[in-house]
Amino acid sequence: KAGVTQTPRYLIKTRGQQVTLSCSPISGHRSVSWYQQTPGQGLQFLFEYFSETQRNKGNFPGRFSGRQFSNSRSEMNVSTLELGDSALYLCASRNGTGGSPLHFGNGTRLTVT
Amino acid sequence: GQQLNQSPQSMFIQEGEDVSMNCTSSSIFNTWLWYKQDPGEGPVLLIALYKAGELTSNGRLTAQFGITRKDSFLNISASIPSDVGIYFCAGSTSGTYKYIFGTGTRLKVLA
Repeated sequence: KAGVTQTPRYLIKTRGQQVTLSCSPISGHRSVSWYQQTPGQGLQFLFEYFSETQRNKGNFPGRFSGRQFSNSRSEMNVSTLELGDSALYLCASRNGTGGSPLHFGNGTRLTVT
Repeated sequence: GQQLNQSPQSMFIQEGEDVSMNCTSSSIFNTWLWYKQDPGEGPVLLIALYKAGELTSNGRLTAQFGITRKDSFLNISASIPSDVGIYFCAGSTSGTYKYIFGTGTRLKVLA
């Protein structure tokens, strides 16, 4: 069974630009979550989508948005990039029920210059 | 953002030694997860716990769901060099569907 796939692996953007990250979940998983990982803040929850609906949201500004498609694939968008947005963005999928565990992809390393 | 307290923050151990780490929360959790992350990769699920007092093993790894439901423990027996990495705990409360992660324990094994 293929794991969670994230593209691209690396991105370099300039402050003020916008970026879209993509995530393909494990086959059969209907839930996709996004996390931001930085050395100082650790793993911070951005949002979770289940069956194309945002089910939960973390404490990030509105510049961070996401969506999920009917095939469960998900995209995350960050507009008006700031230097502090430089981080590893991790996507995780799960089957969506109760306490089902998260399965992570290898992330997209975003660098904002 | 909210994070769980995980300790120790880092540790150096000799190959062959046993390792213990723990994670504590101010909230009651219904699920505890333990992950290992290698450089440049995403966290990999090691063990999932669903019941207070539950003790679950995965090879040389053993994790326990604390009976207060506010803590969890991970033990690694007879450590080897490939155990090097960062170990994260994560907890979830019923109905929130959201996992909160620990601050991580960085493990370094000296051969």
